[in-house]
Amino acid sequence: DTEVTQTPKHLVMGMTNKKSLKCEQHMGHRAMYWYKQKAKKPPELMFVYSYEKLSINESVPSRFSPECPNSSLLNLHLHALQPEDSALYLCASSRSTGDAYEQYFGPGTRLTVT
Amino acid sequence: KQEVTQIPAALSVPEGENLVLNCSFTDSAIYNLQWFRQDPGKGLTSLLLIQSSQREQTSGRLNASLDKSSGRSTLYIAASQPGDSATYLCAVTSYGKLTFGQGTILTVHP
Repeated sequence: DTEVTQTPKHLVMGMTNKKSLKCEQHMGHRAMYWYKQKAKKPPELMFVYSYEKLSINESVPSRFSPECPNSSLLNLHLHALQPEDSALYLCASSRSTGDAYEQYFGPGTRLTVT
Repeated sequence: KQEVTQIPAALSVPEGENLVLNCSFTDSAIYNLQWFRQDPGKGLTSLLLIQSSQREQTSGRLNASLDKSSGRSTLYIAASQPGDSATYLCAVTSYGKLTFGQGTILTVHP
């Protein structure tokens, strides 16, 4: 099973709302990633978790708060977002953060901030 | 800083043609290179992964080559089909991060 699942598929939220995105994998991978993808652009790395610890934060605004409760689950908590944060949010996982490992991507959550 | 470029940006071909997508990267210190497919509004599907020590990988009608020293990779698609229509992304792993190219939008018309 090489599946990464993400929920919800679509999310519409106001600028004062608090919501969370969820990502799950059962491949035994110990590295998990959040990417943001704007229309017609490639994915941009936001966060990397290695063995449930945050290892990379690509200078993401604090209105995005990642959490890794266990090795299979990755959350992205959203608060006070701006309309420009509307995008496709992709989760990925790999066996570890060692450079040789393939990343597997989920289907994404389409976020619209109104 | 690693930069990845893909040429062409868009490609439209009739069904049955063989085609080549190009990818180049500026820093040859890569660990691997991945080719992905992305359908509109969907996630990324990994097509092929080439380790830095390898020269090519094949999967069905797809063949990817890697010339690390010159900073180039090509994705060859044989006998293209309308179902191959999608955006194809090249990405290199270096210094712990995956860096993507801008993608090639492929349209295969019947």
